[in-house]
Amino acid sequence: GAVVSQHPSRVICKSGTSVKIECRSLDFQATTMFWYRQFPKQSLMLMATSNEGSKATYEQGVEKDKFLINHASLTLSTLTVTSAHPEDSSFYICSARDPQNQPQHFGDGTRLSIL
Amino acid sequence: GQQLNQSPQSMFIQEGEDVSMNCTSSSIFNTWLWYKQDPGEGPVLLIALYKAGELTSNGRLTAQFGITRKDSFLNISASIPSDVGIYFCAGSYAGGTSYGKLTFGQGTILTVHP
Repeated sequence: GAVVSQHPSRVICKSGTSVKIECRSLDFQATTMFWYRQFPKQSLMLMATSNEGSKATYEQGVEKDKFLINHASLTLSTLTVTSAHPEDSSFYICSARDPQNQPQHFGDGTRLSIL
Repeated sequence: GQQLNQSPQSMFIQEGEDVSMNCTSSSIFNTWLWYKQDPGEGPVLLIALYKAGELTSNGRLTAQFGITRKDSFLNISASIPSDVGIYFCAGSYAGGTSYGKLTFGQGTILTVHP
C-alpha cells in the first residue's frame, strides 16, 4: 500500500528557530500533499494544500509567511515553521494522494516542541 | 463550511463486545473515509467508501456510506485490546476548490478492557 514518510518525528528547539519538516511519498508520485496540525485530544486541522510545481493553498487563518510550504518534486513536500514560538508547539502531520485519486495516506507526524 | 459531527466522543467496552460509531454532515460528500490513530502516530486508513449506500468490510470492521450522502457509520465486531485508539471519520467532496480536501470528525476514543 501507499507509504508516506515524515521526518523528523520529533523536534525540540529554542524560540526563534526555524524548523523544516519533510514529507515524502515513497512508492507513488503525489501531485498533491496536505499539511495538518493536531492539538492534544483534538481532530486534525487542515493547514494547507501543497501542489507540485505551484504555490500552496492555505486555509483561512493560517499565516503563509509563518508556515512556508515547498513542493518541489512529485515525492517531496516541506513545511518550514519560521521563527517558531511556544504557541507553534503541536503535532504536525502530512498526507499525500496519488494521481489516481486514491484516499489520502498519512505520515507518522512530527512532534514540535518550542521552548 | 462543512461540519462533521462524530459520535460518541468516547467508548469504554469489554473485550469481545461490538462497537458502533457514526458521523453526520451538514452537507453531502462523495467519499467517506474511516481512519484509526494510535498515540504519537499518523492516522491509518481503515475503510474507504465511494458510493451512496455502499457497505464495505475489512476484517472485523464494517462501514457504510449513507444513502443521503450525509452520514456514515463504522462497526467493529468482537473487539480486541489492540482496537484501542482514536477513530476518525473524514469526508471529501470532489468539486471546485475543495477537491480532495478532507473534513474530519472530532474523533471517537475507544478503550477496550481485557
